[in-house]
Amino acid sequence: GAVVSQHPSWVICKSGTSVKIECRSLDFQATTMFWYRQFPKQSLMLMATSNEGSKATYEQGVEKDKFLINHASLTLSTLTVTSAHPEDSSFYICSARAYLAGSSYNEQFFGPGTRLTVL
Amino acid sequence: SQELEQSPQSLIVQEGKNLTINCTSSKTLYGLYWYKQKYGEGLIFLMMLQKGGEEKSHEKITAKLDEKKQQSSLHITASQPSHAGIYLCGADNNNDMRFGAGTRLTVKP
Repeated sequence: GAVVSQHPSWVICKSGTSVKIECRSLDFQATTMFWYRQFPKQSLMLMATSNEGSKATYEQGVEKDKFLINHASLTLSTLTVTSAHPEDSSFYICSARAYLAGSSYNEQFFGPGTRLTVL
Repeated sequence: SQELEQSPQSLIVQEGKNLTINCTSSKTLYGLYWYKQKYGEGLIFLMMLQKGGEEKSHEKITAKLDEKKQQSSLHITASQPSHAGIYLCGADNNNDMRFGAGTRLTVKP
């Protein structure tokens, strides 16, 4: 099956610093990747849709200048949390879509997540 | 955008009991996904339903999509502690996926 990796799996940073999270599709190419955020005891909330070679589309209420998304290649998308604050502490999950051989639909694969803690 | 409502929000059952989790959509479902998650970990894909009336099973978990394609149910037979976790339904929404609020399942041994 298709694998999506995230790095790092967890990160602790000081308030005011920036943190970059990488998302990679390991054995397939993904023209579209997604970034979700999950707070404790809550569901996944879509933050933005990232298309290779173009600007990301952000959901309402998500600050594009704070959460910088770059999708430079078909296998890599990065999320940079700029000037992080404690309220940005959360679990961030990326996802990638692809039509795989033998599949009848456009499947969505999820990374293992990155736990961000801002002190 | 599509909204998904899950019920119940949480569920505590005794080991060996059956249980059902529901997911209702505000719009017609063109692809309904069920995932299991433990907070702080990734999503585990369970099943995907596309056709009205479709039913799929994997081990002791069965998922159904109603004929009108606006409601899905996830049924666990003879629950075990290993079934504990958060169950999320997700729906295709114009080339992205949105999730319900989740159902937190606790199975007491």
